Amino acid sequence: GAVVSQHPSRVICKSGTSVKIECRSLDFQATTMFWYRQFPKQSLMLMATSNEGSKATYEQGVEKDKFLINHASLTLSTLTVTSAHPEDSSFYICSARGGQGDLSYEQYFGPGTRLTVT
Amino acid sequence: AQSVTQLDSQVPVFEEAPVELRCNYSSSVSVYLFWYVQYPNQGLQLLLKYLSGSTLVKGINGFEAEFNKSQTSFHLRKPSVHISDTAEYFCAVSLMNTGFQKLVFGTGTRLLVSP
Repeated sequence: GAVVSQHPSRVICKSGTSVKIECRSLDFQATTMFWYRQFPKQSLMLMATSNEGSKATYEQGVEKDKFLINHASLTLSTLTVTSAHPEDSSFYICSARGGQGDLSYEQYFGPGTRLTVT
Repeated sequence: AQSVTQLDSQVPVFEEAPVELRCNYSSSVSVYLFWYVQYPNQGLQLLLKYLSGSTLVKGINGFEAEFNKSQTSFHLRKPSVHISDTAEYFCAVSLMNTGFQKLVFGTGTRLLVSP
């Protein structure tokens, strides 16, 4: 149980275009989803937290107009990188939380999406 | 400010040897502690967690960790490693003042197991 999927796993896009990444909780309802960014050989940096049906909360320094997050249902959150530039190239990972009791403090991670902007 | 420090960026070890990956944290509020493993080009998998109770926590794949409040540490150990344990290991904390909602990650330790 507690499987999180991401689609696509890899995407290459041209500079100036927009890219949408999907994050789905497959076997549980995710009350909260998180989006992280990971640069090569570095740690995960939290970009934003989203709760179903409400606006995402962005971390300091993250441009909300550039990284659009939608959490339309309890099983789906999307991250859209708008007007992508080469510096947006990175590994984007989502996680979901939705258990009860002690499990509510666990985050289940997706496999990640590697974005390359040319 | 809260932070997580993993002092070793890389730990080389021979197969079947014991290993300890170090993690220290700083926080003025109560924390929950986690260790995650990441295999190449994959997401993170939870190895173990400490929320409360016994300070010695056992996880998957034969790993265990011990919470030491006085030393603000949560070191990860395994008595005998396998080649398949080669991966990146991340220590993380969640903080009471965020309702234990958010995770703050350390910089990671790459475990390299050789024959």
